[in-house]
Amino acid sequence: NAGVTQTPKFQVLKTGQSMTLQCAQDMNHNSMYWYRQDPGMGLRLIYYSASEGTTDKGEVPNGYNVSRLNKREFSLRLESAAPSQTSVYFCASRGLAGQETQYFGPGTRLLVL
Amino acid sequence: DAKTTQPPSMDCAEGRAANLPCNHSTISGNEYVYWYRQIHSQGPQYIIHGLKNNETNEMASLIITEDRKSSTLILPHATLRDTAVYYCIVAISNFGNEKLTFGTGTRLTIIP
Repeated sequence: NAGVTQTPKFQVLKTGQSMTLQCAQDMNHNSMYWYRQDPGMGLRLIYYSASEGTTDKGEVPNGYNVSRLNKREFSLRLESAAPSQTSVYFCASRGLAGQETQYFGPGTRLLVL
Repeated sequence: DAKTTQPPSMDCAEGRAANLPCNHSTISGNEYVYWYRQIHSQGPQYIIHGLKNNETNEMASLIITEDRKSSTLILPHATLRDTAVYYCIVAISNFGNEKLTFGTGTRLTIIP
């Protein structure tokens, strides 16, 4: 049981390049989330998916797209990376009602030059 | 979602109880109080949550005042591994739609 896994662990991009951050969970959770954390700051919600087939915007969705590929996987795409998107990205998942805990992955550190 | 206020930093001696306060004076009746912590740059880790009753688990205790405007997270016997940033969050538990808003938290340092 690996929990929440994220790939890659670290990535350097040039301005304007695109990339997809991958997230997978093996806990059969319905809900999945993407957050970003800038230095010295708390986490901010980018997008979330309450269940397979649905996605909703969070606090800071601009510049990102998401895909809930299946129940296990939730990807985050940067179509045209900007230096302001330099951050640490965390994926999380949560089970059904009564299981309010969000479980977080180890994070992807992204540097946009 | 209601906003929370936490002290930016605290120290606690190893082996003593660490008491982390949180003010949430605008909390509404259906909002829960959640506590998470983040060690170094790892992903946040869930600690405990509650609605209005005090809660205890293997990691910590959560004391919520009767008016629900503040709460305290208690780590009963702090160890060096408890050094982390602790986040107090209030949110509606909405079957997967809750949005956790992380502030800057309290940086707890356990002193040997």
